[in-house]
Formats: sequence, C-alpha cells, structure tokens
Amino acid sequence: AQSVSQHNHHVILSEAASLELGCNYSYGGTVNLFWYVQYPGQHLQLLLKYFSGDPLVKGIKGFEAEFIKSKFSFNLRKPSVQWSDTAEYFCAVNNQGGKLIFGQGTELSVKP
Amino acid sequence: DAGITQSPRHKVTETGTPVTLRCHQTENHRYMYWYRQDPGHGLRLIHYSYGVKDTDKGEVSDGYSVSRSKTEDFLLTLESATSSQTSVYFCAISDETPTGELFFGEGSRLTVL
Repeated sequence: AQSVSQHNHHVILSEAASLELGCNYSYGGTVNLFWYVQYPGQHLQLLLKYFSGDPLVKGIKGFEAEFIKSKFSFNLRKPSVQWSDTAEYFCAVNNQGGKLIFGQGTELSVKP
Repeated sequence: DAGITQSPRHKVTETGTPVTLRCHQTENHRYMYWYRQDPGHGLRLIHYSYGVKDTDKGEVSDGYSVSRSKTEDFLLTLESATSSQTSVYFCAISDETPTGELFFGEGSRLTVL
C-alpha cells in the first residue's frame, strides 16, 4: 500500500536557523507531491506542490522543496526560520488515483 | 479562504450514540473528503465523494458511513460512536483530481466518553 513517512516528529529550532524536514513515499509510479502547514488552532493550508517539471519547487513564505525521484523523497527546506513558522507540517502524496495520502506530520517549534 | 463550513465544531457524546458531522461547501467543487487527524498518525482518509451519490472508502472507513445527496453537502455518520473515534475531523474539497489541491474546513473536534 502507498505510504508517506516523515522522519522527524518534533523539531525545535532557534530563529534564523535553517530547516529541512524529510519526507519519503513508497509509490513507484507517477506522483504529485504536496506540503501542507497547520498553524496552531487552524486548518491545513497548502505550502507548495510538485506536479512535474523543475524538481525544485518554491512555495509561500520562503519555503521550498526538492523532489528526488531516485530517493522517493520530497524534503522541505527554509534557509532561515521565523517564530511565526511554528506549526505542524504535513507531507502528502497523490498517486493520481484520487486519494491524497498524508504523512504523520512534523511539529516545528521555533524559539525566538 | 474556500467556502467550507463544518458543523458542529465541537461535540462531546457518549459511547454508543449516533453522531453526524456535516460539511457544507459553497464552491460547487466536485470532490469532497473526510479525514481524521490524530497525534502521531497525521491525517487519514475516512471516505470521499466524487459526485452526488458517488462515494468510496478511504484508509479508515470502518465504523463510519457517508452520504452526499447534494453537491454542497457531505455528511459523515458514526452509527454507534466509540472512544477510538475521539478525534478531530476535517472536511476537504477539491475541484479536480488527481492533481488538485485540497481545501480544508476548520475541523470538528469530537470527544466520545
């Protein structure tokens, strides 16, 4: 069965530190990849998405992610985090079968 | 924000009672989804709908049923609630699949005592 794995459950960083959150998936066919963010007390919002083309995609608020097909990975990065980036981040994969499968989520805490 | 309204937003109920959660959209999107969110599990798909009266099961459909009699409404029913169904339930909509972005509602927090 298709699955999505996020290796970091809780990440704690100081402001201005660099961020990289890992995401791996287990589907060998064509996939569409997403990162969603959930700020405290809010619903999920799309951060960025990859469908095709340039494997380095840029999203909102300075986030970017790189699709590495050979590694089945779609890691999220940000060069310098802010306190306002404190949130839970979810990687998700759609195998073009109509269902979006989410990872377990990574909670990011940024200390001012 | 996408026009998605979930009701109720909070509910406390007792084991064995039926519960219905409602998702209402004003976007006229074809696809609607129910997810549950639990710590350590992320979001898991319960059921989804690809049109009026067209629904299908997701990863964790046992104990849940859904109905969609109108484009704008997608109901999730727990026929006999159990404590394991204590969770936050999110409705999502999409205009296109398989590549479409999901837009999420605010969530419904259900506690089953």
